[in-house]
Amino acid sequence: SQTIHQWPATLVQPVGSPLSLECTVEGTSNPNLYWYRQAAGRGLQLLFYSVGIGQISSEVPQNLSASRPQDRQFILSSKKLLLSDSGFYLCAWSEGTPQETQYFGPGTRLLVL
Amino acid sequence: QKEVEQNSGPLSVPEGAIASLNCTYSDRGSQSFFWYRQYSGKSPELIMFIYSNGDKEDGRFTAQLNKASQYVSLLIRDSQPSDSATYLCAAPAGNMLTFGGGTRLMVKP
Repeated sequence: SQTIHQWPATLVQPVGSPLSLECTVEGTSNPNLYWYRQAAGRGLQLLFYSVGIGQISSEVPQNLSASRPQDRQFILSSKKLLLSDSGFYLCAWSEGTPQETQYFGPGTRLLVL
Repeated sequence: QKEVEQNSGPLSVPEGAIASLNCTYSDRGSQSFFWYRQYSGKSPELIMFIYSNGDKEDGRFTAQLNKASQYVSLLIRDSQPSDSATYLCAAPAGNMLTFGGGTRLMVKP
């Protein structure tokens, strides 16, 4: 069966510091991978998605970037965090087309102070 | 117009009642629809999907799809306090699965 991991689970970072969040998927090959952000009490905001290694699509211009160095690994990064980057970061995966069912990881709660 | 719309709620129902959650979508070409449940502080989990017009039942949950009206609903029978959560509807829009903003459901004992 497939599983998805995210770490860290929680993170408190000062403004201006760098960020690296990691997501890995097990039990599937060539998955579609997604990064979402969810502000408190709000809906899901799609940040990036990837249909293959090295293929990243950005949905929202901002100070975040994503990379996919391996088939089942997706990394979200920032060089300098802003207060507005605080939120709940969710990684998800799907098979087939990006219109198919998405399965979410446990998430990383980020607080920027 | 948002591609997938839901009333944000909260929808409050007494324990044992039927909770009815609604979702409208704009892409007439959409073929598949999904309902996710998200407990506070947790990630969304898939609870149902539906592809065909009509009803699909799974335990206490029934998904209803009306493609002509571009309308999807989720009925929860015999609502329990443990059903209190935010319910997200998702439908394809363009080449992506798009999520609604979610409806917060509160089931009161």
